[in-house]
Amino acid sequence: DVKVTQSSRYLVKRTGEKVFLECVQDMDHENMFWYRQDPGLGLRLIYFSYDVKMKEKGDIPEGYSVSREKKERFSLILESASTNQTSMYLCASSFGTHYNSPLHFGNGTRLTVT
Amino acid sequence: GQSLEQPSEVTAVEGAIVQINCTYQTSGFYGLSWYQQHDGGAPTFLSYNALDGLEETGRFSSFLSRSDSYGYLLLQELQMKDSASYFCAVRDNTGGFKTIFGAGTRLFVKA
Repeated sequence: DVKVTQSSRYLVKRTGEKVFLECVQDMDHENMFWYRQDPGLGLRLIYFSYDVKMKEKGDIPEGYSVSREKKERFSLILESASTNQTSMYLCASSFGTHYNSPLHFGNGTRLTVT
Repeated sequence: GQSLEQPSEVTAVEGAIVQINCTYQTSGFYGLSWYQQHDGGAPTFLSYNALDGLEETGRFSSFLSRSDSYGYLLLQELQMKDSASYFCAVRDNTGGFKTIFGAGTRLFVKA
């Protein structure tokens, strides 16, 4: 079974702090994704990556950056956390170039910015 | 841009059949997927349709009409454990196969 592991389940940070959310997958997947999930808004794509050191903006990249130095690890960075970034963050991965390749999600990190 | 629309809530009784609709607008359409998410859990993949028609997987079926930019998820013989949120998602041809999700449909199954 594919395992996508997010480093923290719950995180509380202060406004202005730099925040790192880490995600690791163990199935050698090429593609990795970061979404945030808010009630009534579903899952919104922040950034994704289809290869090491490659990144593409999703629909809501403002205030975020990402890093993919190794194939198995995809980090989401909040340069200066703000209260409107309080949310559930979900990492996902998928295999290669097959259109029907499903996304495998981690259990999420609930981030609270105070 | 891309957008997906699905109802916010659906309620049904145990043993019934329920249909969750999804309409989409996207460029470079490469298939419609469905995911299930229980409260506190991670979304899990249910089905994928690339071509028009019905795909059946046990009690769940998914339908796609590309000409209508429309699909639905059909759940039969509903069980209490089917109470969850259901998301439709589309994949486009952006490098890395960007996947966009709808806002989700919360399904309540009553005894």
